[in-house]
Amino acid sequence: NAGVTQTPKFQVLKTGQSMTLQCAQDMNHEYMSWYRQDPGMGLRLIHYSVGAGITDQGEVPNGYNVSRSTTEDFPLRLLSAAPSQTSVYFCASRRPGQGVDGYTFGSGTRLTVV
Amino acid sequence: SQQGEEDPQALSIQEGENATMNCSYKTSINNLQWYRQNSGRGLVHLILIRSNEREKHSGRLRVTLDTSKKSSSLLITASRAADTASYFCATDKVSGNTPLVFGKGTRLSVIA
Repeated sequence: NAGVTQTPKFQVLKTGQSMTLQCAQDMNHEYMSWYRQDPGMGLRLIHYSVGAGITDQGEVPNGYNVSRSTTEDFPLRLLSAAPSQTSVYFCASRRPGQGVDGYTFGSGTRLTVV
Repeated sequence: SQQGEEDPQALSIQEGENATMNCSYKTSINNLQWYRQNSGRGLVHLILIRSNEREKHSGRLRVTLDTSKKSSSLLITASRAADTASYFCATDKVSGNTPLVFGKGTRLSVIA
């Protein structure tokens, strides 16, 4: 099925551990973004990319790294997990150009840092 | 910081009634979008309205946009229990090539 695939769906980390959240899309979308969702906070932008080799920071980038070596994949790396990074993480993608269509979201990764 | 702010934060209605949610934003936009999120799931795109449009319909959804007031509303007519979800507005800024900025959402409960 075409769409955005996120893995894993659930993850528990210990403080200080590192990990990579995977995001892949098969719609040839140039634009990809990572958001985190916390209770009562809505979605906050972590990092985004407008194409392979191009990334930029969003509202809450500290503690996270991204890279975009291919159009399909946009992994999010947690360098040294902290309890404040406990959240639900969503990856989203869309075609370039504004006013064309909306984002397609993955089903999310629920991360707990203990 | 959040660009859009939804109002109310929570809304509870009976099945068959209409549900209205509002969204206010701060800066000039290219378009405004509404998304639905069922509990524990990802967001689903519902409708997009461009800055030069004032009203748009999609099935039981009606969206209005007032750029002079920097506000939008989402109306769901003849609500169903399956409409129970959180609804988010998101804005595409005029500056371009920037991702959507989401509000905090309205939690809608439709009671059968």
